[in-house]
Amino acid sequence: GAVVSQHPSWVICKSGTSVKIECRSLDFQATTMFWYRQFPKQSLMLMATSNEGSKATYEQGVEKDKFLINHASLTLSTLTVTSAHPEDSSFYICSARVARSEAFFGQGTRLTVV
Amino acid sequence: AQSVSQHNHHVILSEAASLELGCNYSYGGTVNLFWYVQYPGQHLQLLLKYFSGDPLVKGIKGFEAEFIKSKFSFNLRKPSVQWSDTAEYFCAVEYGNKLVFGAGTILRVKS
Repeated sequence: GAVVSQHPSWVICKSGTSVKIECRSLDFQATTMFWYRQFPKQSLMLMATSNEGSKATYEQGVEKDKFLINHASLTLSTLTVTSAHPEDSSFYICSARVARSEAFFGQGTRLTVV
Repeated sequence: AQSVSQHNHHVILSEAASLELGCNYSYGGTVNLFWYVQYPGQHLQLLLKYFSGDPLVKGIKGFEAEFIKSKFSFNLRKPSVQWSDTAEYFCAVEYGNKLVFGAGTILRVKS
């Protein structure tokens, strides 16, 4: 199947700093990329949907100024957590898909803010 | 808002036992349905999907699922589980362009 690579796998940062997470589709061009957040023992919560070259669509309750999403090409989307705080510590997962096909998932990024 | 419910958070089975994991969703319109599996330390992987046609769909590794529109359900089944099926299973429903996940079911198969 298609491969989606997410980097880094884990990151620890100080409170108040920003962290960038990259999501790349390695062997296909993704028309849409999705960013999810997963809390312990809970489901994946959709944060935002991004289409290449356009602004991301954020889900209700997700702060667009805090979670900056850029989808500059058909193979790369980035999520930047700005001014991170301990409550932003979580597992972030991206997925990518071509229209009307299955979504392929990255391995996730464990963010810890200290 | 659209939602996806998975009935059990933890299931423990012995090898060769039959498996059925429940999934119900709340939306009455046209949906696409998926089951994903996450083995320990690995990505989410697609087990099977339903877009249209035969409501009984077969996936990888002997899994199947049945879409029952009248019950808004898409239950996952396997006649005989193996120790290697130990993983977390997620039901997901696509509404428009969004994929909404259930809370997941952790399956542990005892050898």
